[in-house]
Amino acid sequence: DAGVTQSPTHLIKTRGQQVTLRCSPKSGHDTVSWYQQALGQGPQFIFQYYEEEERQRGNFPDRFSGHQFPNYSSELNVNALLLGDSALYLCASSWGDRSTEAFFGQGTRLTVV
Amino acid sequence: GDSVTQMEGPVTLSEEAFLTINCTYTATGYPSLFWYVQYPGEGLQLLLKATKADDKGSNKGFEATYRKETTSFHLEKGSVQVSDSAVYFCALTHPSGNTPLVFGKGTRLSVIA
Repeated sequence: DAGVTQSPTHLIKTRGQQVTLRCSPKSGHDTVSWYQQALGQGPQFIFQYYEEEERQRGNFPDRFSGHQFPNYSSELNVNALLLGDSALYLCASSWGDRSTEAFFGQGTRLTVV
Repeated sequence: GDSVTQMEGPVTLSEEAFLTINCTYTATGYPSLFWYVQYPGEGLQLLLKATKADDKGSNKGFEATYRKETTSFHLEKGSVQVSDSAVYFCALTHPSGNTPLVFGKGTRLSVIA
């Protein structure tokens, strides 16, 4: 049983560029949440997708957007990249719109130069 | 809003030493509490959880008890191993609502042989 898979594992982008990160949830899960983990910090909630809609959003600017597909996989898009967007981006999946049994992927390490 | 405060690391222990990592929280109502572990280069793994006051979560020799009166969820292990070296995150969520996980900043543990 595949767990949560994220791609790519590492990515280097230039300031001002746009990036798309991808996540496939654990089998049987229909909800995907995205978190940003800056170096030395705990993960910060970006947003959650359930039934192909954004259900909740954390304190992140509109440059951060997402999408959920009918097969429950999800994308995180970040436009106009800033140096401060460098972080580990974690995807978590769960069943229903509750976080109590969230499973995390290994993350995508984004470096903005 | 909700918040989680963990003891600052890094914590360095010799093998077989006793471990305590303190965690306190601020939240309304009765949140569910979690400890996640992050090994080098990996995502988050759920270590243990507790969903109501006085519950004790346990896994792999780690334990934590949900103390409502002191709003705490301290992580303990009687005898640490080198393989326990990782970053540990305390987190909470509200299971009765659609709320994301709120994490502490993490505590890095290094166990030396």
